[in-house]
Amino acid sequence: GEDVEQSLFLSVREGDSSVINCTYTDSSSTYLYWYKQEPGAGLQLLTYIFSNMDMKQDQRLTVLLNKKDKHLSLRIADTQTGDSAIYFCADQNTGGFKTIFGAGTRLFVKA
Amino acid sequence: AAGVIQSPRHLIKEKRETATLKCYPIPRHDTVYWYQQGPGQDPQFLISFYEKMQSDKGSIPDRFSAQQFSDYHSELNMSSLELGDSALYFCASSLWTSGADTQYFGPGTRLTVL
Repeated sequence: GEDVEQSLFLSVREGDSSVINCTYTDSSSTYLYWYKQEPGAGLQLLTYIFSNMDMKQDQRLTVLLNKKDKHLSLRIADTQTGDSAIYFCADQNTGGFKTIFGAGTRLFVKA
Repeated sequence: AAGVIQSPRHLIKEKRETATLKCYPIPRHDTVYWYQQGPGQDPQFLISFYEKMQSDKGSIPDRFSAQQFSDYHSELNMSSLELGDSALYFCASSLWTSGADTQYFGPGTRLTVL
């Protein structure tokens, strides 16, 4: 079945860049998403990328997609303490209503 | 902007009881999804509805059922509750197109089964 994998933890200093990585197995993925979840809160959509793109930039966020290697990354520039959260990578396949989530990467930002 | 509304936000039940969770999608969204997130886990897809019909099914136990009503709100019915059902239940909604199906999540209902 489809699977999405992420590293569990990342710690960075305030002001540095954070790079969160994700790999997926579904070769029919059409859209890949990044969600942010703060403690006790819901999932906030950050950004998404179509599978026929290799990069998308949105303010401090840069998404890179290597479709050949099925590797997705989220770069957060100038990371702030408010960016501390769990970041979920999610994969949606063609024509599907189901979205598969990774286990989430917990980002710690040190002041 | 209007967001996905879920009620109740918190629910405490005892084993073998039943629970009903409600979800009100973003206006004009036609698709609703339910996810279960256990403590420290990623959200697991349960079930989805498009235009009031079930569109996809994930790891939803037979004890659970769901439906989408004519006003597009959805209810997740959970019977014979077990301790392991304690989790955060998210509803998401989207406007289904032939392309992106970006899901917007509600704040979740935290269910505790004692």
